[in-house]
Amino acid sequence: GAVVSQHPSRVICKSGTSVKIECRSLDFQATTMFWYRQFPKKSLMLMATSNEGSKATYEQGVEKDKFLINHASLTLSTLTVTSAHPEDSSFYICSARRPGDSYNEQFFGPGTRLTVL
Amino acid sequence: DAKTTQPPSMDCAEGRAANLPCNHSTISGNEYVYWYRQIHSQGPQYIIHGLKNNETNEMASLIITEDRKSSTLILPHATLRDTAVYYCIVRVVGYSTLTFGKGTMLLVSP
Repeated sequence: GAVVSQHPSRVICKSGTSVKIECRSLDFQATTMFWYRQFPKKSLMLMATSNEGSKATYEQGVEKDKFLINHASLTLSTLTVTSAHPEDSSFYICSARRPGDSYNEQFFGPGTRLTVL
Repeated sequence: DAKTTQPPSMDCAEGRAANLPCNHSTISGNEYVYWYRQIHSQGPQYIIHGLKNNETNEMASLIITEDRKSSTLILPHATLRDTAVYYCIVRVVGYSTLTFGKGTMLLVSP
């Protein structure tokens, strides 16, 4: 199966700082990547869809100026949480879609645990 | 809102079959049934998907009723490592977005 990695796996930061999370497709080129957020004991919520070389499409209620997404290459998408606050503490998960896959399968990364103090 | 209904939790003894039900009574003709699972503090993992025929792979079997309004995921010999939240998702092929519901927390015990 296709492999997607995330870095870092966990990060602790102070309120007001910015945090960047990387999502990489290791053995395939991903034209589309997705970013999800998951609060404790809750399900995954799609934040945005990221297409290589173009602006991300954000879901309703997700602040695009706070959650900056860059998909500059076919194997890397980054999510930057700007001016993080404690309420941004969550589990952030990315996924990637492999071009040509007839069923539009998504391959998920292992997630990044963000804690904002 | 998710278009599926699943029990919030289920228990299963190690080595026994785990049968996880899912109701999707409003499924459309062009929607597939997908199953993912999420082990604690990890990203979701694809398990299986199907349209109307029963499907089997190395991980599980998927049984879809003839009217396609419900399905059952079967783990034939559950192990402790199968303890996870299992998500049933209906989705149009060619449409990328996955909408996760609350899923079923399966606890496999010795």
